Amino acid sequence: DAGITQSPRYKITETGRQVTLMCHQTWSHSYMFWYRQDLGHGLRLIYYSAAADITDKGEVPDGYVVSRSKTENFPLTLESATRSQTSVYFCASSRTGTSGGTYNEQFFGPGTRLTVL
Amino acid sequence: AQKITQTQPGMFVQEKEAVTLDCTYDTSDPSYGLFWYKQPSSGEMIFLIYQGSYDQQNATEGRYSLNFQKARKSANLVISASQLGDSAMYFCAISNDGYQLIWGAGTKLIIKP
Repeated sequence: DAGITQSPRYKITETGRQVTLMCHQTWSHSYMFWYRQDLGHGLRLIYYSAAADITDKGEVPDGYVVSRSKTENFPLTLESATRSQTSVYFCASSRTGTSGGTYNEQFFGPGTRLTVL
Repeated sequence: AQKITQTQPGMFVQEKEAVTLDCTYDTSDPSYGLFWYKQPSSGEMIFLIYQGSYDQQNATEGRYSLNFQKARKSANLVISASQLGDSAMYFCAISNDGYQLIWGAGTKLIIKP
């Protein structure tokens, strides 16, 4: 009954290190998303995935890598962390993008607070 | 390009009063969806209400309703009979492709007892 979970919830790392944030959903939703939230910017889309093995860039993809080998998992990797990547990261999922002209809501995980020193 | 504007950075409201949170949007697409989310101090993002651009009636979900004025490109959230637990950040967002949500900067609502 977990829904969508993220791990770790808090992470401190150093500049230049590789960091992977995990996201797991139990709803079998087709779509999954990664957002970052910074003060004054609302949420910004980093990457999204429409299905397993299908991923695409969002608004701010530079410095991030994603993969989706299984429907339920969507890890986000910072290959070489920078201070500007200090942020709160949210994973989200939705059933589909649209259905019958209706846009489906996205359900969010609890977030990961990442600090890059 | 789509854009969401939330002009109220912060609001103070007396408990039990109704609250209107403003949201204006800009899009050239005839088909789109509008969403409101709540983010309490604990940090999670909670979906509140959805309005489709072709929906004839304003959306309602319990104490939440959406005042949708399509010609003015306005989608204000109305919370009736506010409660202390309504204190949170509120975000308006728009999607026209079914995947990317474009978000406003949010409104911080504080309910006073």
